Amino acid sequence: DAGVIQSPRHEVTEMGQEVTLRCKPISGHNSLFWYRQTMMRGLELLIYFNNNVPIDDSGMPEDRFSAKMPNASFSTLKIQPSEPRDSAVYFCASSFGGTAVQPQHFGDGTRLSIL
Amino acid sequence: AQRVTQPEKLLSVFKGAPVELKCNYSYSGSPELFWYVQYSRQRLQLLLRHISRESIKGFTADLNKGETSFHLKKPFAQEEDSAMYYCALEAPGNQFYFGTGTSLTVIP
Repeated sequence: DAGVIQSPRHEVTEMGQEVTLRCKPISGHNSLFWYRQTMMRGLELLIYFNNNVPIDDSGMPEDRFSAKMPNASFSTLKIQPSEPRDSAVYFCASSFGGTAVQPQHFGDGTRLSIL
Repeated sequence: AQRVTQPEKLLSVFKGAPVELKCNYSYSGSPELFWYVQYSRQRLQLLLRHISRESIKGFTADLNKGETSFHLKKPFAQEEDSAMYYCALEAPGNQFYFGTGTSLTVIP
């Protein structure tokens, strides 16, 4: 298995632009997580899905952020409009099972820079 | 290439026994190493980072560059330590790599 696949690996864009981050979970996994990693806050959970349904989106910073999971093999995290403070590394992780103790498999992350 | 290896998927120890969760990394430079923990029904959270050289909840981790290891240790395990533990590496350029996790069960 190729593991969790995220794209793009790097994204540099100007503020105000729309940014879309993509994630393909491991086949057979039914939980998907989006995290944001910054120096100041460390690793923050933004949202997680179980069976394609958003379960907890309380970590989504504001309305500019949205996430979708149209099917079991694909998810997107969108920022519109983007701002410089959104610059961070965004991780996607997937696991099998809806409980928190199941091991999560992380993607390589997307390094986002908003100028 | 796998940057961070946690060889044990599952680890069980008795309460009061010492515990060591292994983490080996592959990186030629000077990475930063972290341990994250996820307790049941809680979110993943940072446990400690090597640069801080601190002890959190009785856990310590020493970076051994010669062995490229960052094992997490606690002299006396407690039941509340049961959780999933992830080792992570940050390379220059803000590149992060996570291990596959070790599920620790502390038996009463």
